[in-house]
Order: sequence, then structure tokens, then C-alpha cells
Amino acid sequence: KAGVTQTPRYLIKTRGQQVTLSCSPISGHRSVSWYQQTPGQGLQFLFEYFSETQRNKGNFPGRFSGRQFSNSRSEMNVSTLELGDSALYLCASSSVGNQETQYFGPGTRLLVL
Amino acid sequence: AQSVTQLDSQVPVFEEAPVELRCNYSSSVSVYLFWYVQYPNQGLQLLLKYLSGSTLVKGINGFEAEFNKSQTSFHLMKHSVHISDTAEYFCAVTKTGGFKTIFGAGTRLFVKA
Repeated sequence: KAGVTQTPRYLIKTRGQQVTLSCSPISGHRSVSWYQQTPGQGLQFLFEYFSETQRNKGNFPGRFSGRQFSNSRSEMNVSTLELGDSALYLCASSSVGNQETQYFGPGTRLLVL
Repeated sequence: AQSVTQLDSQVPVFEEAPVELRCNYSSSVSVYLFWYVQYPNQGLQLLLKYLSGSTLVKGINGFEAEFNKSQTSFHLMKHSVHISDTAEYFCAVTKTGGFKTIFGAGTRLFVKA
């Protein structure tokens, strides 16, 4: 089976712009979670989707949003980018929907200038 | 709410020596516990997990961890490390049946020849 794929792998944006990141889970997986990884804050949970429904959300401002499509692919969007949004954004998928086993993608590295 | 503390930010060790990476967690409900490894410029890979049952959990690459409920710890161990084990290791927790995983700050393991 193909693993979790994330596109794009690298992205450079300027402050004030918006960005959309994409995640394709492992075939058959219905749960997708997103995490932000920065040197200062470490790995922080953004949100989790299961069957197109957001079930849990981390402590991030409303500029961070996401969605999941009927084929389980997920996107996250960050509007009005700030310098502090520079990070590695990781997506993880799970088959059983309760995070017993998550499979992570390689991440999208976002640089905001 | 759950929290995770990794007691060492960096652990240098010589090749073929044993190593222990320490992790303490806090939770008022039952939890699942995980150790993940991250190699440079990659996503996270699951090393092992504790869901229930035996408190000694064996994982991939010769790693094992012991769940200690009374001390709320889940330390990761390896009897003999290799240069290739140099990476960052993350301890994580999620409440049983939950949809949100909390990660520790990470421990950078550096194996020296």
C-alpha cells in the first residue's frame, strides 16, 4: 500500500497570503490528523477528521482550518499568514479512527517570509 | 487533559552502549502511550505503543518500553545502540478511544562511534 502523501513538500509564502496543504491518507483510512512542528513549540495537534467530520481541534486561531473530502483526502488552509506559521506540517492517517496507530506523511515545510 | 514530559532534551551515547529515554505523562483517565522516531527531513515513524496488557512493550529496531502506571512513566530502552539510531524520539499520549494525540518535546539521541 502507498503511504501517506502530502503535497506540496516545500512552500514559500509571504506574510498576509494564504496557503492550502493537501494530505492523501493510506487507502482505506478514514481518519486524518494534522500537526504543526516548530523548533520552539514542538509537535502540536491542529485537528482531526473522520468521515468528513471534524472531531477534535487543537488550540490554534481561526486562521487555521481544514476539511476532509468523501474520499478521505484532507486539506488544511492557513489564511493571513504570519512569520510564526513557518513550520513543518505533518499529516497522519489511521484506519480505526481512534488514533491507536497513526501513519505519518513526510510533511510540508512552509516558510513564511 | 493529558500532558507529556520528556525529561532529557539530548542524550549522547556511545555505539553499542545501552540507552534509556525517559517519558512521564499526566492524565486523569486511561491512556494509550506511544514512542515515535523522526529522522532528519522525514515524518514520524511509530516505534511501539502501549494500549493495554503486558507492561513491557517491544517495538521495532530492538527498542522496548515499560509502562509504569504508579509512576506514570513510559521509558524507552535499547540494550545496544547503533549509529543509525541517531534521531529525535517523541513520546506521545492519547486518552483511550480519543481523537487527539499529545506529544512531548522530543529527545535527540546522538550515537557516537
